[in-house]
Amino acid sequence: QSALTQPPSASGSPGQSVTISCTGTSTDVGGYDFVSWYQQHPGKAPKLIIYEVTKRPSGVSDRFSGSKSGNTASLAVSGLQADDEADYYCSSYAGSNTLTFGGGTKLTVL
Amino acid sequence: QVQLVQSGAEVNKPGSSVKVSCKASGGTFGNYAINWVRQAPGQGLEWVGGIVPIFGSPNYGQKFQGRVTITADIFAKTAYMELSSLTSEDTALYSCAGGQGYHYGSGIPYWGQGTLVTVSS
Repeated sequence: QSALTQPPSASGSPGQSVTISCTGTSTDVGGYDFVSWYQQHPGKAPKLIIYEVTKRPSGVSDRFSGSKSGNTASLAVSGLQADDEADYYCSSYAGSNTLTFGGGTKLTVL
Repeated sequence: QVQLVQSGAEVNKPGSSVKVSCKASGGTFGNYAINWVRQAPGQGLEWVGGIVPIFGSPNYGQKFQGRVTITADIFAKTAYMELSSLTSEDTALYSCAGGQGYHYGSGIPYWGQGTLVTVSS
């Protein structure tokens, strides 16, 4: 298992939209529709915001949306708000009952 | 609503082992995957391994194969992670995290408070 590749940083102004990518291989992201995204504020536990590529848990804002094309998954955040500033991690099922995470992306709201 | 409460912080010497516990309440323990995820200071999330208690067989991240043992006691509603041959690179916050069902890929909505493991001589 290798870690999924995410950009180390992303940024946008309040009200704008931003997209974070998560690149894997055909043995993880590309092979299964089991990509999740997590938001983590400093000192807090990760919060599940997207699962199974596009699904949002109850209570998660519809400003967050997920998609996938080939070996790359993406998280889109629209209408950026100050509280969206956090670290974002993708994860993917990698076969044989294993998971792999991305390296994380620090989102800054300018 | 599943709640996960972990054992307290540990300080261990290089070469030793550490065992962390994770007690669940709410939900039906055993019907969802329990994952162990670690985060070194200032670093990202890393999947250590997991177990679906009613199935019993644990699964491990490749990096930790041979050095980690994950078990679960359904009656005690508690999962355990033991990591051996510790080095300073194992210093991290270790979290147990409950999934949404049997499949590891279905997302992890429930997280314990984390157990800080420090490896130092």
